[in-house]
Amino acid sequence: QKEVEQNSGPLSVPEGAIASLNCTYSDRGSQSFFWYRQYSGKSPELIMFIYSNGDKEDGRFTAQLNKASQYVSLLIRDSQPSDSATYLCAVNPLHSAGGTSYGKLTFGQGTILTVHP
Amino acid sequence: EAQVTQNPRYLITVTGKKLTVTCSQNMNHEYMSWYRQDPGLGLRQIYYSMNVEVTDKGDVPEGYKVSRKEKRNFPLILESPSPNQTSLYFCASSHGQGKQPQHFGDGTRLSIL
Repeated sequence: QKEVEQNSGPLSVPEGAIASLNCTYSDRGSQSFFWYRQYSGKSPELIMFIYSNGDKEDGRFTAQLNKASQYVSLLIRDSQPSDSATYLCAVNPLHSAGGTSYGKLTFGQGTILTVHP
Repeated sequence: EAQVTQNPRYLITVTGKKLTVTCSQNMNHEYMSWYRQDPGLGLRQIYYSMNVEVTDKGDVPEGYKVSRKEKRNFPLILESPSPNQTSLYFCASSHGQGKQPQHFGDGTRLSIL
């Protein structure tokens, strides 16, 4: 099982709809969770980060974290064509090979989102 | 302007010829990392550094070396590059411990022939 898995895309939604992106992780001790957006040929840019169970909202974006079920999701409301990109889930595990590993960050393989007019 | 700067942006070279990709950040961040990105595999961490002279392996460290002699710089060294190291490389930095989001450089596309 991969450490961080994302639902395979591509995901296509109409403009104005809600896009739902999901991510599961295997390390139960993981503490920090990030969503990055990456446009083709560009570097990843941070969209949201979440540390606590529940929802965190920022504009049209909502991150949801459920540590018991080990999943984190990103909802994009009122999707726009400019939201079309690859979305990367990243997890910071508390421990790695028996020790703390604050610098380690594991990414999922990414989900391609297309928002069509 | 806060930024992470990588050089070169593009490089085509041959197997076995040592190369260094430089990374510099101007945000006084403690943490710096190197990633490679390959189609279908996503971003994979190569090495990271928690501060000067403190480095640790990520998920795919084989064939790479790093050093952190100064806080702002974190070069990636390929002593004897091979074609399987052809990839898109990103350097990133962050402030504090793992809870902090990472700021990425613009990427370096390496082709090893």
